[in-house]
Amino acid sequence: DTAVSQTPKYLVTQMGNDKSIKCEQNLGHDTMYWYKQDSKKFLKIMFSYNNKELIINETVPNRFSPKSPDKAHLNLHINSLELGDSAVYFCASSPGTGSNYEQYFGPGTRLTVT
Amino acid sequence: SQQGEEDPQALSIQEGENATMNCSYKTSINNLQWYRQNSGRGLVHLILIRSNEREKHSGRLRVTLDTSKKSSSLLITASRAADTASYFCATDAGDSNSGYALNFGKGTSLLVTP
Repeated sequence: DTAVSQTPKYLVTQMGNDKSIKCEQNLGHDTMYWYKQDSKKFLKIMFSYNNKELIINETVPNRFSPKSPDKAHLNLHINSLELGDSAVYFCASSPGTGSNYEQYFGPGTRLTVT
Repeated sequence: SQQGEEDPQALSIQEGENATMNCSYKTSINNLQWYRQNSGRGLVHLILIRSNEREKHSGRLRVTLDTSKKSSSLLITASRAADTASYFCATDAGDSNSGYALNFGKGTSLLVTP
């Protein structure tokens, strides 16, 4: 069983569209994250949820909206997609917050905006 | 804000050789972690070293931490082709104001040739 899963794995869409990426973890973790990895492999935290509550919201355009229906799921909805949104998006989870805990990453979703 | 900076950006060695990667950071930390990312995959946690530890081992991996120099190193001994990947260090900012975000460096790309 995959610990952290994301769907879809690849997403190709046109500018201006709205899309969602889903994430699920079956590890029983309290904390989930979304990261964006650019073409230079720089990995940047976008959001973090702990027990369904938003605890980190980095400087991300408000076109990006995370939704956590329960502790096991953290979905990312993106409105009005732009070319600069093209990247690989990773979901991750951990038992708690901060660097005391290792994070478990999903396989990533490669988003291409044309 | 970005914390870790890995050095070198890229490293190419032959199987059997040792690989050393360095990470420098700017502010005080609680812990430092190292992750590996194979091409097209999510990150995998390798090792966590606490701020009061100076050295830690896990199999062929050896991590050192020098908090006075704000730096860490990852040594992979007797490298194998399967070690080919990007390696990232990650820290938190050490205080709750940051939301305990885990900040990743830009990574070192390691190529191990047979």
